[in-house]
Amino acid sequence: DQQVKQNSPSLSVQEGRISILNCDYTNSMFDYFLWYKKYPAEGPTFLISISSIKDKNEDGRFTVFLNKSAKHLSLHIVPSQPGDSAVYFCAARQVDSSYKLIFGSGTRLLVRP
Amino acid sequence: GAGVSQTPSNKVTEKGKYVELRCDPISGHTALYWYRQSLGQGPEFLIYFQGTGAADDSGLPNDRFFAVRPEGSVSTLKIQRTERGDSAVYLCASSLLPGASNEQFFGPGTRLTVL
Repeated sequence: DQQVKQNSPSLSVQEGRISILNCDYTNSMFDYFLWYKKYPAEGPTFLISISSIKDKNEDGRFTVFLNKSAKHLSLHIVPSQPGDSAVYFCAARQVDSSYKLIFGSGTRLLVRP
Repeated sequence: GAGVSQTPSNKVTEKGKYVELRCDPISGHTALYWYRQSLGQGPEFLIYFQGTGAADDSGLPNDRFFAVRPEGSVSTLKIQRTERGDSAVYLCASSLLPGASNEQFFGPGTRLTVL
């Protein structure tokens, strides 16, 4: 039973346009959400996070939106750059857990020059 | 180096053999995590250490898997009687303190192949 789902395995976007990556979750006890970026042969790198008490967090070109009623979050990258091409993982942490992260299966983003 | 390091980067072994995977966390980080990533999937939690103790080992798939962190720094993941299904990338992460506001920093992983 996947608690964190990324239903789009891949996404292709033109350079300069917006990239929108989506993530759905089922566990209402999640209190913190994170996005990680992964290049081949490297470990995941933290990108941006959001607490469940907020609905938006912005950091430069990256914005994460959280819709708790829909149990949905999204990552917006604007403008997209070729260097953003990577696999993006959505992750969630459960309240009162061991702080372990539960990851989605990832979305491979390709930004075309 | 300043980041999390893992050795070896690649490990090929035969079914039934014993393997050890090592993780050097960022200096001063008290929390250490092991995850496993299979092809086409996201990382899956295995075990969490706070200091020297395993605070949560609920993700270990069975008793063939064991991990230690004897001095609260370096950790070793040990797999006995390896099976082909153990083939995956094993990721280690550390954070300064446990908790959501302290991001987890990941190492590059060890790719384990069981023939």
